[in-house]
Amino acid sequence: KNQVEQSPQSLIILEGKNCTLQCNYTVSPFSNLRWYKQDTGRGPVSLTIMTFSENTKSNGRYTATLDADTKQSSLHITASQLSDSASYICVVSASSNTGKLIFGQGTTLQVKP
Amino acid sequence: KAGVTQTPRYLIKTRGQQVTLSCSPISGHRSVSWYQQTPGQGLQFLFEYFSETQRNKGNFPGRFSGRQFSNSRSEMNVSTLELGDSALYLCASSVLSGTGELFFGEGSRLTVL
Repeated sequence: KNQVEQSPQSLIILEGKNCTLQCNYTVSPFSNLRWYKQDTGRGPVSLTIMTFSENTKSNGRYTATLDADTKQSSLHITASQLSDSASYICVVSASSNTGKLIFGQGTTLQVKP
Repeated sequence: KAGVTQTPRYLIKTRGQQVTLSCSPISGHRSVSWYQQTPGQGLQFLFEYFSETQRNKGNFPGRFSGRQFSNSRSEMNVSTLELGDSALYLCASSVLSGTGELFFGEGSRLTVL
């Protein structure tokens, strides 16, 4: 069964600190993995998209890694800011042909001053 | 370049009624997909349309339906509303179906009383 699991479910950190969010997937065949940021009451916004051959991709203070062998991805946030408070959703595309996407439940991050 | 526009942003209905939500994709995008988001279930895929054809469908009852017009605008309809249909309904557009980056709208918040 195609699944995407994220951990932790929620996280509270102090402003300026780093944090890492995890995403494990059992999706086959794998096409790509995406991380989205969703502010409360808003639509998700894409942070990164990684294909099978990409190990690391950065977008400002956000760095995503992908280990296709272990089927794990992480999203590292450096020097967190209050505006990083949001839900982070990991999404795996099952096939480039069907376009089927499997969504994780998300990790809710709260950055405190 | 205008983003994805969803209307209405908020609406309140009563059980048994039906509702139609609208989504205007980014100009040039031919794929529109719809999602239901609830606190307990996270983001769940409803269906995707590409060039007026439904390409993929999630595991939702037949009360949920959609269509896409020749200008790529899409509508989704929910008939015989139930309390459990209360959710944020998100639409996303992309240039191509499948592996393309998704651009989400702000969503339509439906409350069923």
